[in-house]
Amino acid sequence: GAGVSQSPSNKVTEKGKDVELRCDPISGHTALYWYRQSLGQGLEFLIYFQGNSAPDKSGLPSDRFSAERTGGSVSTLTIQRTQQEDSAVYLCASSSRQGPSSYEQYFGPGTRLTVT
Amino acid sequence: AQTVTQSQPEMSVQEAETVTLSCTYDTSESDYYLFWYKQPPSRQMILVIRQEAYKQQNATENRFSVNFQKAAKSFSLKISDSQLGDAAMYFCAYYNFNKFYFGSGTKLNVKP
Repeated sequence: GAGVSQSPSNKVTEKGKDVELRCDPISGHTALYWYRQSLGQGLEFLIYFQGNSAPDKSGLPSDRFSAERTGGSVSTLTIQRTQQEDSAVYLCASSSRQGPSSYEQYFGPGTRLTVT
Repeated sequence: AQTVTQSQPEMSVQEAETVTLSCTYDTSESDYYLFWYKQPPSRQMILVIRQEAYKQQNATENRFSVNFQKAAKSFSLKISDSQLGDAAMYFCAYYNFNKFYFGSGTKLNVKP
């Protein structure tokens, strides 16, 4: 596709339920990032993928959070046993490691997660 | 640890005027990248401008330019001839070692 896409755009879930958030990066982008943006705040780094591997998981806030990436493309962020403090916008970004635009991140529109 | 600070939570500018958004960062590295991103109410983050730390020349993209002061670890964004469409949250970001660090953002209001 032309840009990074994320689904769903909005998700409302009950406390304690599991949720899966999906990110489709720009074709050919090897790097993929997940961020969390709480209301009125900046972006909090969660995890970074290079290809299918995640060399940096340091931002995942707890073991309820996990992410995977398959085929060097689609990534899924899973939150188990959701809590109200998980409510936020989850942003995905991808970037290329080559050429003049290397390291520039291209963001998806985000998924707004609301835990009730 | 690297930190990025945007000390202006909100700013206002008159249409067609010039405004400067401030950003400072803390790092012990000598080679890194700096970015300004714009986030309108649609939530879509858009790259405004980037600066490589090894370049002394300040980056410019049309009405947007930066004042990069490496020794002072300062990276401000100047918007000239402000337009209504410039109204958004602006985030300063630092990149090194596969990781991005974002400031808390500055909300820019543009008055007609």
